[in-house]
Amino acid sequence: GAGVSQSPSNKVTEKGKDVELRCDPISGHTALYWYRQSLGQGLEFLIYFQGNSAPDKSGLPSDRFSAERTGGSVSTLTIQRTQQEDSAVYLCASSQGSGSNQPQHFGDGTRLSIL
Amino acid sequence: QKEVEQDPGPLSVPEGAIVSLNCTYSNSAFQYFMWYRQYSRKGPELLMYTYSSGNKEDGRFTAQVDKSSKYISLFIRDSQPSDSATYLCAIRDSGTYKYIFGTGTRLKVLA
Repeated sequence: GAGVSQSPSNKVTEKGKDVELRCDPISGHTALYWYRQSLGQGLEFLIYFQGNSAPDKSGLPSDRFSAERTGGSVSTLTIQRTQQEDSAVYLCASSQGSGSNQPQHFGDGTRLSIL
Repeated sequence: QKEVEQDPGPLSVPEGAIVSLNCTYSNSAFQYFMWYRQYSRKGPELLMYTYSSGNKEDGRFTAQVDKSSKYISLFIRDSQPSDSATYLCAIRDSGTYKYIFGTGTRLKVLA
C-alpha cells in the first residue's frame, strides 16, 4: 500500500514569499504530525491533528506558520513571508491513532530553501 | 539538559562489525521507545518499537531498553554498507501523543 506522500519534494523560493507544503497520509490513519528537521538538529514538533479534534499547534514557531487538514486526510502546512531561518526539511508523519502502540510512519519530506 | 541525548557521530565501522548505537533520556515516565533509520534525502523509517525493559530482536537488529538507567541501545550485527544511514531514537510516554527524537547518529559501514 502507499506510504505517506509529501509534495513538493524540493522547494526553493525567495525570502518574503509564501509557501505551501502538502502531506497525504496513509489511508485510514487518523493522526497526522508535522515536524521540522534542521541540519544537526533533532525533529522539531510543529503540529498534530487527530481526527476531528482541535489540532495541537503548540510547536508552531511563529504566527507565520499555519496548517490545516481537510476531511481528516490531506494536510497543508503554510509558511507566510518566509525567512532564511525557515530553510529546513519539513516532514509529515501519520499513525493509525494516537495510542501508545501506534508508531508513526514518515514521508520523505519537503526540502525548503529560502534564498 | 535535553530530554533525549544521542551522540551525533559520525561512527565508522568495517563491514561485518557489531554496531552499538545509544540514547539516554531524562524522564522516567517515558515508556515507549523506537529506533528509526534515515537514509540521505529520505524520511525516517521505523526499525524497532518496544515498551518494556529488556531486549527485542528482529533479524540483525536488537533493541535494548534499561529503564533503571534510562538508557536505550540498538545493536546491528554483521553490519553491511547498506546500513550506512542516520539512526534516530524516539521516545514517548503513555500520557501524551508527542514523540521526542534524538538528534540522530550518523553511521558509515565501510566495505
